[in-house]
Amino acid sequence: KAGVTQTPRYLIKTRGQQVTLSCSPISGHRSVSWYQQTPGQGLQFLFEYFSETQRNKGNFPGRFSGRQFSNSRSEMNVSTLELGDSALYLCASSLGTVGNQPQHFGDGTRLSIL
Amino acid sequence: EDQVTQSPEALRLQEGESSSLNCSYTVSGLRGLFWYRQDPGKGPEFLFTLYSAGEEKEKERLKATLTKKESFLHITAPKPEDSATYLCAVQEYTTSARQLTFGSGTQLTVLP
Repeated sequence: KAGVTQTPRYLIKTRGQQVTLSCSPISGHRSVSWYQQTPGQGLQFLFEYFSETQRNKGNFPGRFSGRQFSNSRSEMNVSTLELGDSALYLCASSLGTVGNQPQHFGDGTRLSIL
Repeated sequence: EDQVTQSPEALRLQEGESSSLNCSYTVSGLRGLFWYRQDPGKGPEFLFTLYSAGEEKEKERLKATLTKKESFLHITAPKPEDSATYLCAVQEYTTSARQLTFGSGTQLTVLP
Protein backbone atom coordinates (compact mmCIF):
# COMPACT_ATOMS: atom_id res chain seq x y z
CA LYS A 1 0.00 0.00 0.00
CA ALA A 2 1.52 3.29 -1.06
CA GLY A 3 2.17 5.84 1.65
CA VAL A 4 1.65 9.58 1.65
CA THR A 5 3.44 11.19 -1.29
CA GLN A 6 4.65 14.77 -1.21
CA THR A 7 6.09 16.68 -4.14
CA PRO A 8 8.49 18.22 -4.70
CA ARG A 9 10.95 16.95 -2.07
CA TYR A 10 13.09 20.09 -2.23
CA LEU A 11 12.40 23.68 -3.24
CA ILE A 12 14.51 26.80 -3.28
CA LYS A 13 12.73 30.14 -3.56
CA THR A 14 13.51 33.79 -2.95
CA ARG A 15 11.74 36.24 -0.69
CA GLY A 16 8.49 37.59 -2.11
CA GLN A 17 7.80 34.61 -4.34
CA GLN A 18 4.99 32.15 -3.83
CA VAL A 19 5.06 28.37 -3.73
CA THR A 20 2.64 25.46 -4.04
CA LEU A 21 3.26 22.10 -2.40
CA SER A 22 1.39 18.92 -3.23
CA CYS A 23 0.27 15.95 -1.15
CA SER A 24 -1.31 12.66 -2.23
CA PRO A 25 -2.80 10.80 0.76
CA ILE A 26 -2.93 7.08 1.36
CA SER A 27 -5.64 5.52 -0.78
CA GLY A 28 -8.97 5.67 1.06
CA HIS A 29 -7.87 8.40 3.45
CA ARG A 30 -10.11 11.45 3.35
CA SER A 31 -8.44 13.72 5.91
CA VAL A 32 -5.27 15.62 5.09
CA SER A 33 -3.40 17.78 7.58
CA TRP A 34 -0.38 20.01 7.04
CA TYR A 35 2.40 20.74 9.53
CA GLN A 36 5.47 22.95 9.54
CA GLN A 37 8.64 21.60 11.16
CA THR A 38 11.54 23.85 12.15
CA PRO A 39 14.45 23.29 14.56
CA GLY A 40 13.26 26.08 16.83
CA GLN A 41 9.49 25.50 16.91
CA GLY A 42 9.24 21.79 16.21
CA LEU A 43 6.14 20.46 14.51
CA GLN A 44 3.30 22.97 14.30
CA PHE A 45 -0.18 22.41 12.89
CA LEU A 46 -1.09 24.49 9.84
CA PHE A 47 -4.53 23.27 8.75
CA GLU A 48 -6.67 20.23 8.07
CA TYR A 49 -8.96 19.34 5.19
CA PHE A 50 -11.71 16.76 5.08
CA SER A 51 -14.09 16.25 2.17
CA GLU A 52 -12.70 19.34 0.41
CA THR A 53 -13.47 21.57 3.43
CA GLN A 54 -11.00 23.20 5.77
CA ARG A 55 -11.92 21.88 9.22
CA ASN A 56 -9.35 23.63 11.36
CA LYS A 57 -6.52 26.12 11.03
CA GLY A 58 -3.49 26.70 13.20
CA ASN A 59 -1.94 29.99 14.25
CA PHE A 60 -0.31 30.98 10.96
CA PRO A 61 -0.76 34.13 8.86
CA GLY A 62 -3.14 34.27 5.92
CA ARG A 63 -0.23 33.86 3.52
CA PHE A 64 -0.56 30.16 4.23
CA SER A 65 -3.52 28.57 2.49
CA GLY A 66 -4.57 25.22 1.16
CA ARG A 67 -7.20 23.26 -0.62
CA GLN A 68 -8.34 19.70 -1.10
CA PHE A 69 -9.65 18.12 -4.27
CA SER A 70 -12.43 15.57 -4.73
CA ASN A 71 -9.85 12.74 -4.89
CA SER A 72 -8.56 13.85 -1.43
CA ARG A 73 -5.28 15.14 -2.85
CA SER A 74 -4.28 18.42 -1.25
CA GLU A 75 -2.17 21.45 -2.07
CA MET A 76 -0.68 24.04 0.20
CA ASN A 77 0.23 27.54 -0.98
CA VAL A 78 2.46 30.11 0.64
CA SER A 79 2.48 33.61 -0.81
CA THR A 80 4.96 36.44 -0.34
CA LEU A 81 7.62 34.13 1.04
CA GLU A 82 9.72 35.27 3.99
CA LEU A 83 13.06 33.96 5.23
CA GLY A 84 11.29 32.50 8.27
CA ASP A 85 9.19 30.26 6.05
CA SER A 86 12.22 28.03 5.49
CA ALA A 87 11.12 24.70 6.96
CA LEU A 88 10.14 21.11 6.33
CA TYR A 89 6.47 21.01 5.37
CA LEU A 90 4.80 17.74 6.24
CA CYS A 91 1.51 16.36 5.08
CA ALA A 92 -0.35 13.69 7.03
CA SER A 93 -3.41 11.67 6.10
CA SER A 94 -5.91 9.65 8.08
CA LEU A 95 -9.15 7.85 7.37
CA GLY A 96 -10.98 10.74 8.98
CA THR A 97 -14.09 8.76 9.84
CA VAL A 98 -13.29 8.66 13.57
CA GLY A 99 -11.51 11.46 15.38
CA ASN A 100 -8.54 9.73 16.95
CA GLN A 101 -7.36 7.57 14.08
CA PRO A 102 -3.59 7.88 13.61
CA GLN A 103 -2.18 10.27 11.06
CA HIS A 104 0.41 8.94 8.64
CA PHE A 105 3.04 11.34 7.40
CA GLY A 106 4.85 11.81 4.13
CA ASP A 107 8.55 12.61 3.98
CA GLY A 108 7.87 16.28 3.48
CA THR A 109 8.94 19.12 1.22
CA ARG A 110 12.09 20.94 2.30
CA LEU A 111 11.56 24.62 1.46
CA SER A 112 14.53 26.97 1.55
CA ILE A 113 14.08 30.72 1.15
CA LEU A 114 17.06 32.77 -0.04
CA GLU B 1 -3.42 25.90 25.93
CA ASP B 2 -2.14 22.38 25.26
CA GLN B 3 1.33 21.65 26.45
CA VAL B 4 3.40 18.63 25.62
CA THR B 5 6.85 18.28 27.19
CA GLN B 6 9.29 15.51 26.36
CA SER B 7 12.34 14.52 28.36
CA PRO B 8 15.18 14.06 28.07
CA GLU B 9 15.97 16.13 24.98
CA ALA B 10 18.72 13.69 24.05
CA LEU B 11 19.67 10.22 25.27
CA ARG B 12 22.69 8.09 24.47
CA LEU B 13 22.52 4.39 25.30
CA GLN B 14 24.78 1.45 24.81
CA GLU B 15 23.31 -1.38 22.80
CA GLY B 16 21.25 -3.52 25.17
CA GLU B 17 20.90 -0.78 27.80
CA SER B 18 17.17 -0.36 28.47
CA SER B 19 15.65 3.04 29.27
CA SER B 20 12.49 5.14 29.15
CA LEU B 21 11.44 8.34 27.43
CA ASN B 22 8.90 10.63 29.06
CA CYS B 23 6.06 12.69 27.61
CA SER B 24 4.05 14.85 30.01
CA TYR B 25 0.95 16.66 28.84
CA THR B 26 -1.67 19.13 29.98
CA VAL B 27 -4.91 19.12 28.02
CA SER B 28 -8.54 19.72 28.93
CA GLY B 29 -9.64 16.35 27.65
CA LEU B 30 -7.39 13.79 26.03
CA ARG B 31 -8.78 12.19 22.90
CA GLY B 32 -5.57 10.31 22.15
CA LEU B 33 -1.81 10.29 22.66
CA PHE B 34 0.40 9.27 19.76
CA TRP B 35 4.02 8.18 19.55
CA TYR B 36 6.04 8.63 16.38
CA ARG B 37 9.58 7.88 15.33
CA GLN B 38 11.39 10.25 12.95
CA ASP B 39 14.60 9.45 11.11
CA PRO B 40 16.75 12.23 9.58
CA GLY B 41 15.31 13.47 6.30
CA LYS B 42 12.08 11.51 6.77
CA GLY B 43 8.59 12.20 8.01
CA PRO B 44 7.37 10.88 11.37
CA GLU B 45 6.50 7.18 11.37
CA PHE B 46 3.48 6.17 13.45
CA LEU B 47 4.20 3.81 16.36
CA PHE B 48 1.34 3.77 18.87
CA THR B 49 -1.95 5.35 19.89
CA LEU B 50 -3.02 5.36 23.54
CA TYR B 51 -6.52 6.45 24.52
CA SER B 52 -6.99 6.05 28.27
CA ALA B 53 -4.98 5.89 31.47
CA GLY B 54 -3.64 2.43 32.20
CA GLU B 55 -3.43 1.45 28.56
CA GLU B 56 -0.25 -0.20 27.24
CA LYS B 57 0.89 -1.03 23.69
CA GLU B 58 3.93 -3.05 22.58
CA LYS B 59 5.85 -3.42 19.37
CA GLU B 60 9.12 -5.32 19.24
CA ARG B 61 11.48 -3.60 21.71
CA LEU B 62 9.10 -0.69 22.38
CA LYS B 63 6.35 -0.43 24.97
CA ALA B 64 4.19 2.65 25.48
CA THR B 65 2.20 3.35 28.64
CA LEU B 66 -0.23 6.11 29.61
CA THR B 67 -1.28 7.76 32.86
CA LYS B 68 -3.51 10.79 33.38
CA LYS B 69 -0.54 13.15 33.22
CA GLU B 70 2.15 11.44 31.18
CA SER B 71 3.20 8.69 28.85
CA PHE B 72 6.35 6.62 28.80
CA LEU B 73 8.06 4.92 25.91
CA HIS B 74 10.12 2.06 27.29
CA ILE B 75 12.91 0.72 25.10
CA THR B 76 14.12 -2.75 26.06
CA ALA B 77 17.56 -3.94 24.93
CA PRO B 78 17.84 -1.30 22.19
CA LYS B 79 19.81 -1.80 18.99
CA PRO B 80 21.64 0.83 16.90
CA GLU B 81 18.75 0.80 14.41
CA ASP B 82 16.50 2.19 17.16
CA SER B 83 18.43 5.47 16.93
CA ALA B 84 15.98 8.20 15.90
CA THR B 85 13.99 11.12 17.28
CA TYR B 86 10.91 9.98 19.16
CA LEU B 87 7.96 12.36 19.15
CA CYS B 88 4.80 12.29 21.17
CA ALA B 89 1.66 14.19 20.25
CA VAL B 90 -1.74 14.72 21.83
CA GLN B 91 -5.19 15.19 20.41
CA GLU B 92 -7.66 17.13 22.51
CA TYR B 93 -11.43 16.82 22.55
CA THR B 94 -12.05 20.55 22.35
CA THR B 95 -10.10 21.08 19.15
CA SER B 96 -10.48 19.55 15.74
CA ALA B 97 -10.38 15.81 16.06
CA ARG B 98 -7.36 15.55 13.83
CA GLN B 99 -5.15 18.39 15.09
CA LEU B 100 -2.04 17.08 16.82
CA THR B 101 0.05 19.06 19.31
CA PHE B 102 3.61 17.73 19.32
CA GLY B 103 6.34 17.71 21.91
CA SER B 104 9.86 18.73 20.89
CA GLY B 105 11.07 15.13 20.79
CA THR B 106 13.79 12.98 22.34
CA GLN B 107 16.79 12.28 20.16
CA LEU B 108 17.91 8.72 20.93
CA THR B 109 21.34 7.42 19.98
CA VAL B 110 22.14 3.75 20.54
CA LEU B 111 25.84 2.96 20.36
CA PRO B 112 27.06 -0.47 19.23
